[in-house]
Amino acid sequence: DQQVKQNSPSLSVQEGRISILNCDYTNSMFDYFLWYKKYPAEGPTFLISISSIKDKNEDGRFTVFLNKSAKHLSLHIVPSQPGDSAVYFCAAYSGAGSYQLTFGKGTKLSVIP
Amino acid sequence: AAGVIQSPRHLIKEKRETATLKCYPIPRHDTVYWYQQGPGQDPQFLISFYEKMQSDKGSIPDRFSAQQFSDYHSELNMSSLELGDSALYFCASSIPNEKLFFGSGTQLSVL
Repeated sequence: DQQVKQNSPSLSVQEGRISILNCDYTNSMFDYFLWYKKYPAEGPTFLISISSIKDKNEDGRFTVFLNKSAKHLSLHIVPSQPGDSAVYFCAAYSGAGSYQLTFGKGTKLSVIP
Repeated sequence: AAGVIQSPRHLIKEKRETATLKCYPIPRHDTVYWYQQGPGQDPQFLISFYEKMQSDKGSIPDRFSAQQFSDYHSELNMSSLELGDSALYFCASSIPNEKLFFGSGTQLSVL
């Protein structure tokens, strides 16, 4: 049972345009959400997070939106750059005593120059 | 800045052999997590330690064991290896309530 779902395995975007990566979750106990970026042969790198008390968090070119009623979050990257090409993992956890992350399967973003 | 160090980067073993993976957390991080990522799969949580005690357990097979030592480094011991154990094994560290920092992983190939 996949509790965190990233339904798009891949996404291609032109440089300078907006990249939108989507993530859905089923576990209503999740109250903290993170996006990790992963390059080949490297470990996941933390990108941005959002807690369930917020609906938006912004950090430079990266913005995460959370829609709790729809159990949906999205990562917006604008403007997209070729260096953003990587696999993006959505992850979630319930802050009630456990910090183990549940990951989605990832979306491979390719930013075309 | 120091990151999470995992060793070895690559490991090749045969079926039924044992393997030991090591993880050195970021200094002052007292919590260590182990994740397994199979080919084309999402990372799956295996086990975590806080202050040298097991804090949480996920989908870790009974053939695997792990511990965290007094210097906070952790080792994942895998016995009776099976072909399906071939995967990328990530270690992550954190301080409580903070985000996880991941190592580069150990690629285990079981032949």
